[in-house]
Amino acid sequence: QVQLVESGGGVVQPGGSLRLSCVASGFIFSASGMYWVRQAPGKGLEWVAYIQSDINKKYYTDSVKGRFTISRDNSRNTLYLEMNSLRTEDTAHYYCAKHLSGSHYISAMDVWGQGTSVTVSS
Amino acid sequence: QSALTQPASVSGSPGQSITISCTGTSSDVGTYNYVSWYQQYPGKAPRLLIYEVSNRPSGVSHRFSGSKSGNTASLTISGLQAEDEADYYCSSFTSSSTVVFGGGTKVTIL
Repeated sequence: QVQLVESGGGVVQPGGSLRLSCVASGFIFSASGMYWVRQAPGKGLEWVAYIQSDINKKYYTDSVKGRFTISRDNSRNTLYLEMNSLRTEDTAHYYCAKHLSGSHYISAMDVWGQGTSVTVSS
Repeated sequence: QSALTQPASVSGSPGQSITISCTGTSSDVGTYNYVSWYQQYPGKAPRLLIYEVSNRPSGVSHRFSGSKSGNTASLTISGLQAEDEADYYCSSFTSSSTVVFGGGTKVTIL
């Protein structure tokens, strides 16, 4: 079945780094745009980043530009989020999600993983 | 990248219909028909309910419908059921080639 499984979360000090991974199965990963979305404890959803299927284009929310890097390895069906210079406000549950095939502009996320938690604290 | 505006809570009785609004600007909802709606239960991942304003993915009940007028999109849930008690989020593509979510609406079944 179609599935996304995230890993790599944990507790890190402010200024530290983490790399999240998301392994995809059950669909043609190399043909799918992919997202990272986060949700701070008790708060709403926040879009973090998007990467096109062919890796040519990447987009980020302003608050993570220059600190986070989205990437993918289509040979491993894996999406990544490299997070550097972490701040306490980056504390959240991080989800990876798949772009709805056929939808022209980024917005619709039709498959979600269960997420991985990141806590930034001293 | 200001969040879209949703009411914090909406409630209704079983069998009734409710509508959740999602207000943006001419830089997102008002210009692009790329508004999505998601349902999220506590501790669970979101689920796509509506995409491109009014389209339902396969498997989503016909009780969920979407529309848009100007800068405001709406999600209507008809024939409310106990299982509809959840948080609902809208999102939109923006002119900056980014995605913005609404703050979320908690739906309570009376």
